[in-house]
Amino acid sequence: AQRVTQPEKLLSVFKGAPVELKCNYSYSGSPELFWYVQYSRQRLQLLLRHISRESIKGFTADLNKGETSFHLKKPFAQEEDSAMYYCALSTLQGAQKLVFGQGTRLTINP
Amino acid sequence: SAVISQKPSRDICQRGTSLTIQCQVDSQVTMMFWYRQQPGQSLTLIATANQGSEATYESGFVIDKFPISRPNLTFSTLTVSNMSPEDSSIYLCSGKTSGYEQYFGPGTRLTVT
Repeated sequence: AQRVTQPEKLLSVFKGAPVELKCNYSYSGSPELFWYVQYSRQRLQLLLRHISRESIKGFTADLNKGETSFHLKKPFAQEEDSAMYYCALSTLQGAQKLVFGQGTRLTINP
Repeated sequence: SAVISQKPSRDICQRGTSLTIQCQVDSQVTMMFWYRQQPGQSLTLIATANQGSEATYESGFVIDKFPISRPNLTFSTLTVSNMSPEDSSIYLCSGKTSGYEQYFGPGTRLTVT
């Protein structure tokens, strides 16, 4: 069975400080990993996807298959980064449904 | 991309009644899903809505409690039947195009009294 673990429910950092949101997964096959974000009063939206290997809004995430991790990082946090972040896993086969982690609420302090 | 709307946005219902939530997509999607987000919890997949056939339910969810329809490629409904306070949640619809991204609706906030 697939599982996604985000160990931190809450994370608070100061503006300009580095940010790392942790995500670990378990899946016997080849997963596709995503980070979704939900800003206040907005719907859930895709932030980035591991296959793209791109940087969105300064965020990057690297898939580490050895450690089964997909941590989200940003070198310098901004106040507008305050949001709820969800790590999600999708199987590459079948319905490609998403399994979500518990989410981390990130607060950037001025 | 796809823009997803849901109706109603919120409702307060009495226990024992049923509520049908509608999900409309502005373009054709290959897959549609229904999720539940209980208070303080993450999103849990209820089922995959299949066009013209019975939905595929996840473990712990049954058709009698959560009947789902998907008559065409852009519309689906989820009914929460015989509601109890434990059904108080946010219910979200999502759609997936031929690409990798899932697009989410704004959610329906249900409170059962």
